[in-house]
Amino acid sequence: AQSVSQHNHHVILSEAASLELGCNYSYGGTVNLFWYVQYPGQHLQLLLKYFSGDPLVKGIKGFEAEFIKSKFSFNLRKPSVQWSDTAEYFCAVNGAGGGNKLTFGTGTQLKVEL
Amino acid sequence: ETGVTQSPTHLIKTRGQQVTLRCSSQSGHNTVSWYQQALGQGPQFIFQYYREEENGRGNFPPRFSGLQFPNYSSELNVNALELDDSALYLCASSFYGGALAFFGQGTRLTVV
Repeated sequence: AQSVSQHNHHVILSEAASLELGCNYSYGGTVNLFWYVQYPGQHLQLLLKYFSGDPLVKGIKGFEAEFIKSKFSFNLRKPSVQWSDTAEYFCAVNGAGGGNKLTFGTGTQLKVEL
Repeated sequence: ETGVTQSPTHLIKTRGQQVTLRCSSQSGHNTVSWYQQALGQGPQFIFQYYREEENGRGNFPPRFSGLQFPNYSSELNVNALELDDSALYLCASSFYGGALAFFGQGTRLTVV
């Protein structure tokens, strides 16, 4: 069975600090990888995705993630966070061809202080 | 805005009751999945519907059931509600086999 681990449950940063959120997955096959963000009171939104090709993927709002196959990791990064990045971040995976059946991590609550 | 709408937004039910949650998928999407997000947890896959039939199920008991209609909208039904069913229920739509899912805002269910 596939699983996703997010190691940081709560992260507090000051504005302009750099961000890296860890994500490791367990799956015995080709995977699609995602980061979703949930702003307070809003629906889950896709931040970025990896299907194949360049392992460094860029998403919206200056976020990027790197797929390292040998480490089963897909860490999320942003060079300089803003107060508006305060949200909960979820890493998710599905098997290639697995359609809409996502396995999510437990999430990381990010708080950015002014 | 994703175009995926869910109703109601909030609901309070008593233990043992039954509940129906509704989801309208994004225009053109033919597959709907349902997820349960308990407090402090990530969403967990309940099941997926395609062509009005269940097409994959997570680790949820049979009292969780669903329907999909010809217009691709969907319902999630939960019978014999338990306190642990209190959660945010999310609906996601996509094209069949497509890896991109678009989520609705969710229904917050509280069981008392």
